[in-house]
Amino acid sequence: SQTIHQWPATLVQPVGSPLSLECTVEGTSNPNLYWYRQAAGRGLQLLFYSVGIGQISSEVPQNLSASRPQDRQFILSSKKLLLSDSGFYLCAWSGSMGETQYFGPGTRLLVL
Amino acid sequence: GNSVTQMEGPVTLSEEAFLTINCTYTATGYPSLFWYVQYPGEGLQLLLKATKADDKGSNKGFEATYRKETTSFHLEKGSVQVSDSAVYFCALNSNTGNQFYFGTGTSLTVIP
Repeated sequence: SQTIHQWPATLVQPVGSPLSLECTVEGTSNPNLYWYRQAAGRGLQLLFYSVGIGQISSEVPQNLSASRPQDRQFILSSKKLLLSDSGFYLCAWSGSMGETQYFGPGTRLLVL
Repeated sequence: GNSVTQMEGPVTLSEEAFLTINCTYTATGYPSLFWYVQYPGEGLQLLLKATKADDKGSNKGFEATYRKETTSFHLEKGSVQVSDSAVYFCALNSNTGNQFYFGTGTSLTVIP
């Protein structure tokens, strides 16, 4: 069966520091991968999605970036965090046809 | 375009009450429809889905019917439990791309 992992689970970072969040999927190949952000008490905002290695689509211009160095690895990065980057970051995967999305456990980021 | 509108919360019910959370959608083509549930501090879990008109998705006592004539996918449960307290998201996959469209979420609290 397929599983999706995210780490770290929780992160507290100062403003201006770099960020790296990792997401990996097991039990499938060539998945579509997604990064979402969920602000406190709010809905989901799609940040990036990827249909293959090195292929990244950005939905929201901001100081975040994403990379997909391996088929089942998706990384969310920032060079300098802002206070507004605080939130709950969710990674998701779907089959290559994009039919159903399955979510990871999330990373809670607090920028101080 | 594609969008999902779901009823605003929060919703508070007594245990064993009947639950309805309304969801309507706008889509091009023939979308698939989903309900996800998010328990506190966790990622989203797929609750149920329907891929074509008149399909009924069901799981854990929850059900929703894909109504093309009213562009709706309302979530229902006959008798809620305290353990059903969570945030519920309605979502759409237009099946013409790689993106999902989520509603803003409805928070449900069930009191004993």
